[in-house]
Amino acid sequence: QSALTQPASVSGSPGQSITISCTGTRSDIGNYNYVSWYQQHPGKAPRLMVFQVNYRPSGVSDRFSGSKSGNTASLTISGLQSDDEADYYCSSYTGSRTVVFGGGTKLTVL
Amino acid sequence: EVQLVESGGGLVQPGGSLRLSCAASEFSFSYDWMHWVRQAPGKGLEWVARIKTDGIEKNYADSVKGRFTISRDNAKNTLFLEMNSLRPEDTAVYFCVRDAVLGSGTYSHWGQGTLVTVSS
Repeated sequence: QSALTQPASVSGSPGQSITISCTGTRSDIGNYNYVSWYQQHPGKAPRLMVFQVNYRPSGVSDRFSGSKSGNTASLTISGLQSDDEADYYCSSYTGSRTVVFGGGTKLTVL
Repeated sequence: EVQLVESGGGLVQPGGSLRLSCAASEFSFSYDWMHWVRQAPGKGLEWVARIKTDGIEKNYADSVKGRFTISRDNAKNTLFLEMNSLRPEDTAVYFCVRDAVLGSGTYSHWGQGTLVTVSS
């Protein structure tokens, strides 16, 4: 049950786009489309932003989009806004009938 | 509005036990898989356990297997986590989460979390 690999930090200026990668294995991301992305502001519970690779829950801005290629999933945020500054986590269902998270990525809006 | 309210956290000595509860409301609790996810202070999210709708199928992270037990009472819309042989590394905020897609780990709703501190 090794954690998925995410960059520790990314940054961008308001209005720009950024992409956060999430790398797993054939036992998780590579074999299942149950990849989710969560946003977490300090002191708050996480919020679901993308599920099943590229679907957005009701109420989530279309500036957030997800994709997957092989064992790597990605979250793209376009038109960066100050409120996007937060920690982002990916997760995936695994073949062991468990769930694994990434280590988290801190997004800084410059 | 969907609500998940955890309780039962607190300070416990290494080797001790705690039982967390999560009261669910405003959704069909008995129809959804439920999970526990934890977050150590200043660290990332870690999946702990999941339980199927009927309470029979359960899965655990290796780090808690044999020490923690997840259960549910569908009549009372309540999820539980029994934690035994607690270790300092179990110190974390424990979140009760609703799985929106058949046990896949798609967490549509989260509780506010309850802090468990394991220390002498």
